[in-house]
Amino acid sequence: DAKTTQPNSMESNEEEPVHLPCNHSTISGTDYIHWYRQLPSQGPEYVIHGLTSNVNNRMASLAIAEDRKSSTLILHRATLRDAAVYYCILRDVQTGANNLFFGTGTRLTVIP
Amino acid sequence: ETGVTQTPRHLVMGMTNKKSLKCEQHLGHNAMYWYKQSAKKPLELMFVYNFKEQTENNSVPSRFSPECPNSSHLFLHLHTLQPEDSALYLCASSQVTGSGYEQYFGPGTRLTVT
Repeated sequence: DAKTTQPNSMESNEEEPVHLPCNHSTISGTDYIHWYRQLPSQGPEYVIHGLTSNVNNRMASLAIAEDRKSSTLILHRATLRDAAVYYCILRDVQTGANNLFFGTGTRLTVIP
Repeated sequence: ETGVTQTPRHLVMGMTNKKSLKCEQHLGHNAMYWYKQSAKKPLELMFVYNFKEQTENNSVPSRFSPECPNSSHLFLHLHTLQPEDSALYLCASSQVTGSGYEQYFGPGTRLTVT
């Protein structure tokens, strides 16, 4: 699977929107973009995924660039509970691989 | 609660001990995974089981031995571990579908090898 690049850390004020960027310049046409997050002392949890179109769910929104070389996870109103490490991961559906390469992610700090 | 449980939550063992980690999923999934998370390092996939068959072994030392007796249970048998094996061991499960197949993780077992 192609690799992703994320900033090591970001800060946000509580109740403000947060935009977490991810670069994936070598993405292939069959790579889905997945986001997971890991809260302190917990296992990772799925947040959202998409292929080409922007996606929304109850947790977040995923904005995918037209050329698919980058994407942004959007938390519309950050809460203290959103403080976590956020991972952007590509998964190639064509290979059917189950391997998720987590990388180092972005550590989000939410300031009260 | 993610529907994936792991026991024990904490384990301290000596290098000559034999112990097992247990994972159980209540989600009806057909794939299960073991991951290792060491301090300051990314999650590393160790083993994958699809429909009880091992489909991936990422060059894991033989002192780690997985077992998947059915699609709901997964074990990781440990013997003659090294101090560098101290880490958080995470279990996950998923359905295997075309696009989603999001993985659901358990809370992990914090292992300390003395």
